[in-house]
Amino acid sequence: QKEVEQDPGPLSVPEGAIVSLNCTYSNSAFQYFMWYRQYSRKGPELLMYTYSSGNKEDGRFTAQVDKSSKYISLFIRDSQPSDSATYLCAMSRTSDTGRRALTFGSGTRLQVQP
Amino acid sequence: DSGVTQTPKHLITATGQRVTLRCSPRSGDLSVYWYQQSLDQGLQFLIQYYNGEERAKGNILERFSAQQFPDLHSELNLSSLELGDSALYFCASSVAAGDGNTIYFGEGSWLTVV
Repeated sequence: QKEVEQDPGPLSVPEGAIVSLNCTYSNSAFQYFMWYRQYSRKGPELLMYTYSSGNKEDGRFTAQVDKSSKYISLFIRDSQPSDSATYLCAMSRTSDTGRRALTFGSGTRLQVQP
Repeated sequence: DSGVTQTPKHLITATGQRVTLRCSPRSGDLSVYWYQQSLDQGLQFLIQYYNGEERAKGNILERFSAQQFPDLHSELNLSSLELGDSALYFCASSVAAGDGNTIYFGEGSWLTVV
């Protein structure tokens, strides 16, 4: 079983729809949770990050973390064709030595139809 | 533009050969990460350096090696290349080992082994 599970999609929605993207994870040591957006053959771009549980909002994007359920979500309101990309969740933990490395989900491909 | 610079953007080489990928982190960032992204494996963490020293090791093959130089740029050396090494190789950087949640990615180096 992978540490981070993410539905690969593709997820196709009409323009203006609310999009919900999700990841589940198994390691309760994860403390930092991120969402990256990746356009085809481009580098992942950091969209949101949260620490521990809770919500964070930035414009049309809202990130939610539920550590009790080991479940994180990204909501995109008023989706636009330019939002069409692959969305990767990522998470990290701090070991005793302070080392950090991100563990990524496999990514969900989103298509927003005009 | 994330500020992380990778060269070359594309390269094609034959099996058994050796290549070097180069990365310049964002100005002020001390930590450099290398990731491999292939179609079937997603984004896989290879290795992290912090201020010239190896900090964390992921799924890096023995045929691969990396280093970070005093000017903080990093190189990833891939040797005895196999067809399965064809992938996008990303470099990423962050300010410090204690700030791993804000990791910024370069545009990647696309390696094709023929």
